[in-house]
Amino acid sequence: EDQVTQSPEALRLQEGESSSLNCSYTVSGLRGLFWYRQDPGKGPEFLFTLYSAGEEKEKERLKATLTKKESFLHITAPKPEDSATYLCAVQARAGANSKLTFGKGITLSVRP
Amino acid sequence: DVKVTQSSRYLVKRTGEKVFLECVQDMDHENMFWYRQDPGLGLRLIYFSYDVKMKEKGDIPEGYSVSREKKERFSLILESASTNQTSMYLCASSAGGRETQYFGPGTRLLVL
Repeated sequence: EDQVTQSPEALRLQEGESSSLNCSYTVSGLRGLFWYRQDPGKGPEFLFTLYSAGEEKEKERLKATLTKKESFLHITAPKPEDSATYLCAVQARAGANSKLTFGKGITLSVRP
Repeated sequence: DVKVTQSSRYLVKRTGEKVFLECVQDMDHENMFWYRQDPGLGLRLIYFSYDVKMKEKGDIPEGYSVSREKKERFSLILESASTNQTSMYLCASSAGGRETQYFGPGTRLLVL
C-alpha cells in the first residue's frame, strides 16, 4: 500500500527564516510526486510535479527536490503570504490512471 | 487555465436527505475525482471516473455513489445523508496518465 508521511505537522517561521518541509513516501514504483498549496476553506492549488530522483523545480521562493525515499519543499526567505497548508501526493506506476495518495499536510505559519 | 467548478461552496442538509454535489471542468479532461477532506485525516478518495459512464471506487466509497453522463460533469450523490458525512468535498480533474490533478474550490457540507 502506498504511503505518504509529511513532517512536521505544523511549522511556525519568522518572516525571512528559511526552512524545509519533508515528504517521505513508500510507493510501488513512483510515477510522479506532486506538491500542492491549500489556503483555508479553498481547494488545493498545484505547485510542482517531480518524476525522478535528483529532479528539482523552483517557483519564486519555493524549491522542490526529490530522492528515492523523500521530497523536500524548501522555502527561502518566506513572507506572511506563504502561510498555508502544503500537501504532498504520490502517484504509483502501477494501478488505475491518475490515482493519488496524499499526505496529511504541513501547516505553515509565517509571522511578520 | 484549467477551471474546475463546484455547484455550491456551502451546503446544509438534514439527516436522511438525498444530496447532489456537482462538478464541472472545462479542459476536456478524461479523469475526474471526488475526495473528502477532514481534519487529521487528509484527503481521501471517494470515487473516480476515467471516462464517461465509467467509475471506480476509491478508498471510502461507502454511503456515496457517482454519475458521469457527460465528459465535463461528475456528480457525487449521498443517497441518505448522515452526520458523519459532514466534511469538505473536493472535486478534481486530470488529463490522464501522470498528468496533474486540478482541484475545484470545494463544497463544505454540514449534515444536521
